[in-house]
Amino acid sequence: EVQLVESGGGLVQPGGSLKLSCAASGFTFSGSAMLWVRQASGKGLEWVGRIRSKANNYATTYAASVKGRFTISRDDLKNTAYLQMNSLKTEDTAVYYCSGRDGVTGYWGQGTLVTVSS
Amino acid sequence: QPVLTQSSSASASLGSSVKLTCTLSSGHSSYTIAWHQQQPGKAPRYLMKFESSGSYNKGSGVPDRFSGSSSGADRYLTISNLQSEDEADYYCETWDSNTRVFGGGTKLTVL
Repeated sequence: EVQLVESGGGLVQPGGSLKLSCAASGFTFSGSAMLWVRQASGKGLEWVGRIRSKANNYATTYAASVKGRFTISRDDLKNTAYLQMNSLKTEDTAVYYCSGRDGVTGYWGQGTLVTVSS
Repeated sequence: QPVLTQSSSASASLGSSVKLTCTLSSGHSSYTIAWHQQQPGKAPRYLMKFESSGSYNKGSGVPDRFSGSSSGADRYLTISNLQSEDEADYYCETWDSNTRVFGGGTKLTVL
């Protein structure tokens, strides 16, 4: 059974930092691209960024709204992807999902809530 | 970069069929897309990856009632024999080497 479990969400003040984790199992994590996607309350899905596999040099790319503030990384030995979020803004408040894509199909985690508020 | 356009809402009766549309922006009509379902209060679910050639790969456990098709820049998700659990938001997604985008989503109501 495929599982993606996000953790690390919570309440943080504007300007603060938070690091999310996404623990994966049940599929070939090392060969998959990993995405982070967020969803503000009552809104649609917004792509945050992506990290490719080792075969694709762990290439990363980010949405303009988070570029320079967010960093995606991965540890293939731990089957875990990470989202480091710095200089957080109130508009970053959302449920953050990780999603795995192995080139044939895809998977979603259950999400973790990040609230940026003073 | 590509842009995806979806109708904000759709409705159909229980047991009938519905065809949801996702339109790729000009210059991107050959792009591959993916469809996702998000039931109320739940995480998204991967439905399928759809190539412009017409071939598609469904996610694990996706019923045969869900199918994909295309015409030009339009990509369609058809749901047959609608069930109450099909009431959900449906998003399309596309990507290139530098970015990924989601459509605004279609809220499907099963009457």
